[in-house]
Amino acid sequence: EVQLVESGGGLVQTGGSLRLSCAASGFTFSNHWLHWVRQVPGKGLVWVSRINPDGTRIGYADSVKGRFTISRDNAKSTLYLQMNSLRAEDTAVYFCVREKGAAGLHWGRGTLVTVSS
Amino acid sequence: QSALTQPPSASGSPGQSVTIPCTGTSSDVGGHDYVSWYQQYPGKAPKLMISQVSERPSGVPDRFSGSKSGNTAFLTVSGLQAEDEADYYCSSYAGNEIFVFGGGTKLTVL
Repeated sequence: EVQLVESGGGLVQTGGSLRLSCAASGFTFSNHWLHWVRQVPGKGLVWVSRINPDGTRIGYADSVKGRFTISRDNAKSTLYLQMNSLRAEDTAVYFCVREKGAAGLHWGRGTLVTVSS
Repeated sequence: QSALTQPPSASGSPGQSVTIPCTGTSSDVGGHDYVSWYQQYPGKAPKLMISQVSERPSGVPDRFSGSKSGNTAFLTVSGLQAEDEADYYCSSYAGNEIFVFGGGTKLTVL
């Protein structure tokens, strides 16, 4: 069974940093593209970032470019999102997503990030 | 990177069909056959219903179908059932490793 378990969320001050992790199991991690998607509770889904299997092709939403960094450790089957210079508008649930055919086939349960002054 | 456009709400009676549009541009929906649709219940993670415009993942009922015309994609739910009441989101690849979501449509089964 495919499992994606996010961790690392929490309360952080404006301007602070946080690193999210996504521990994967149940599939060959090193073969798959992965994404981060976020959602303000009660609002819509927003795509954040995507990384290819060997980490050489990466994309970011304009809203996070230059502040967030996606990375992966294939030996540990773990996806990361380093978030710097956090703003109130970054407050959201962050989902880790395994891609298949340019679509999000498997989703984690998400981890809540709250940015407050 | 503008969000795709979806109507905020849609509705239909049990047994009826409803179609939800998702409008983008020639850079995303119109330029790639990588449109996907997701169903989300409150407090739950999204579930993939349609990928690559019209492909149904294993386990998704064939009442759900997808199509595309120009810069607009469509999700059609036929034979509406009470359990189809949920939020639905479209997404598209937009080139250069970028993706974009629609704002979401709340489907109500009357």
